[in-house]
Amino acid sequence: AQKITQTQPGMFVQEKEAVTLDCTYDTSDPSYGLFWYKQPSSGEMIFLIYQGSYDQQNATEGRYSLNFQKARKSANLVISASQLGDSAMYFCAMREGHAGNQFYFGTGTSLTVIP
Amino acid sequence: DVKVTQSSRYLVKRTGEKVFLECVQDMDHENMFWYRQDPGLGLRLIYFSYDVKMKEKGDIPEGYSVSREKKERFSLILESASTNQTSMYLCASLKIGGIETQYFGPGTRLLVL
Repeated sequence: AQKITQTQPGMFVQEKEAVTLDCTYDTSDPSYGLFWYKQPSSGEMIFLIYQGSYDQQNATEGRYSLNFQKARKSANLVISASQLGDSAMYFCAMREGHAGNQFYFGTGTSLTVIP
Repeated sequence: DVKVTQSSRYLVKRTGEKVFLECVQDMDHENMFWYRQDPGLGLRLIYFSYDVKMKEKGDIPEGYSVSREKKERFSLILESASTNQTSMYLCASLKIGGIETQYFGPGTRLLVL
């Protein structure tokens, strides 16, 4: 079974609007971390936001927030007030607490911001 | 500032050639990783290393080997390049402590002809 599932290969959003990128995960480990990375066309993966499985509050970092629904095993990324520079690939990833240092990545969502 | 560098951004090689991809990090991280990225498949782990001279196979190690002689350097080796190894290769290192996220290099786009 896939550890991380991103079901949206591509998304479009109007500039200044908010957009939600979906991510579901699969683990039986009670301790895990969820990450979102951005990959612009230049290729470098940029860390955006982190959510720990025991965190009570949803993580936020500037215009990025993580909608963490533990019971549904979902960790959706919300980008508010989209900008043209947000156009990129976005990857959701998970690291399990008791499985060493391996990260599991989804297949990514390509976001295009329309002016 | 955190820095992971990869020896080449673009590389073109012939089938059967031995290929070396180098990755260097300046953050004194113990854990380093090599991934390949293909459209629709996301990032797949090839090998990782948790210390000097230590290595572990990832999900797709076949056709690859690695070398970690110094803490800051992690090399990926394609012993005999094949066309199905044409891909984007990403190196990462892992920060332990605080938010334990991976830091990535800029990637190497490898074309095997």
